[in-house]
Amino acid sequence: DAGITQSPRHKVTETGTPVTLRCHQTENHRYMYWYRQDPGHGLRLIHYSYGVKDTDKGEVSDGYSVSRSKTEDFLLTLESATSSQTSVYFCAISESSGRTGELFFGEGSRLTVL
Amino acid sequence: TQLLEQSPQFLSIQEGENLTVYCNSSSVFSSLQWYRQEPGEGPVLLVTVVTGGEVKKLKRLTFQFGDARKDSSLHITAAQPGDTGLYLCAGDGSSNTGKLIFGQGTTLQVKP
Repeated sequence: DAGITQSPRHKVTETGTPVTLRCHQTENHRYMYWYRQDPGHGLRLIHYSYGVKDTDKGEVSDGYSVSRSKTEDFLLTLESATSSQTSVYFCAISESSGRTGELFFGEGSRLTVL
Repeated sequence: TQLLEQSPQFLSIQEGENLTVYCNSSSVFSSLQWYRQEPGEGPVLLVTVVTGGEVKKLKRLTFQFGDARKDSSLHITAAQPGDTGLYLCAGDGSSNTGKLIFGQGTTLQVKP
């Protein structure tokens, strides 16, 4: 199994509070991704990183920010959580990009915003 | 915006039956992947298809990439309860970043 750890695995918070989810990898893979998974929507890309301090937006990036100060850590921050951000968040890593790049996923972080 | 539409969204069948899941788009993808996800876990890659018309087999699972590279199918022969799960197709929207676009998924339940 790919060494990917997400924390926390479960979190309940209130609207308006900041939340940070952490993804830690031990594989030294270059690419890291944050997805959210909601019923009927599959997985949607929030942000991704192609190296330390190199990040870019995905298709649903509004309300989220990320940081990657070390190869092994990719943080996802909700500055002011809203109920629409209640979801399961998955971190993924990839050694290569492009047509043969396989994504390895963490076990997910379930966030509930009340 | 590239989209992948999966059908059906839900499928409940008896053990031993055959089934096909479809993944369609109006856009061309340079490759397409299929993942399987079990409850409480992240998706796990089953296969990657990269050539139009390509067929790959993984035991009782057969994957096909359309000739025009706009669609794909997953066929399971003699389904077993262990095949139960969420099946996701994903295409690469950009060849440089690995930004996969996922279909909405097909939930398969195989009853003993």
